[in-house]
Amino acid sequence: DAGVTQSPTHLIKTRGQHVTLRCSPISGHKSVSWYQQVLGQGPQFIFQYYEKEERGRGNFPDRFSARQFPNYSSELNVNALLLGDSALYLCASSLEGQGTEAFFGQGTRLTVV
Amino acid sequence: GESVGLHLPTLSVQEGDNSIINCAYSNSASDYFIWYKQESGKGPQFIIDIRSNMDKRQGQRVTVLLNKTVKHLSLQIAATQPGDSAVYFCAENKGGTSYGKLTFGQGTILTVHP
Repeated sequence: DAGVTQSPTHLIKTRGQHVTLRCSPISGHKSVSWYQQVLGQGPQFIFQYYEKEERGRGNFPDRFSARQFPNYSSELNVNALLLGDSALYLCASSLEGQGTEAFFGQGTRLTVV
Repeated sequence: GESVGLHLPTLSVQEGDNSIINCAYSNSASDYFIWYKQESGKGPQFIIDIRSNMDKRQGQRVTVLLNKTVKHLSLQIAATQPGDSAVYFCAENKGGTSYGKLTFGQGTILTVHP
């Protein structure tokens, strides 16, 4: 069975640009969460979606948005990129919204120059 | 603010030794905990989880202990191998309005010497 898949794996963008990151959860999983991991730190929660509804939002500016599609895949969008947005963006999927194992993808390494 | 933290940022052991990685949490409402292993350039890999109604849970070569009295979580790795070298994170879920949000600790770097 395929695990959580994210695309692209690496991305370089210029300040002010927009980026869309994609995530496909494990088959059968209905929940997708997004995390930002800056080098040397633990992942920080950005969003969680369950059954296509937003169930949680972390302390990130409105430049960050996300959505979940009927097939449970998800997109994370970031507008007006800043240098500080450079990070590893991780997607995690779980069977249910809470209290169940969350499995992470390999992440998308975003570099803003 | 409430957070999950680790006592030791680095841990070096010899191959074959047992490793113990510790984690402290401050929110007594947390009801679900997960340990992750993260190798360089990769996403966190699920190791083992434990719910607040348990004190101990065992997996393959790993054991997680939960002490709710002192809000302490530990991961024990038996017969540590060089392939165990990685950064280890504990994460908590507070449930309730936090829903599925995981709060991660800083991480412990485990280095296993052959």
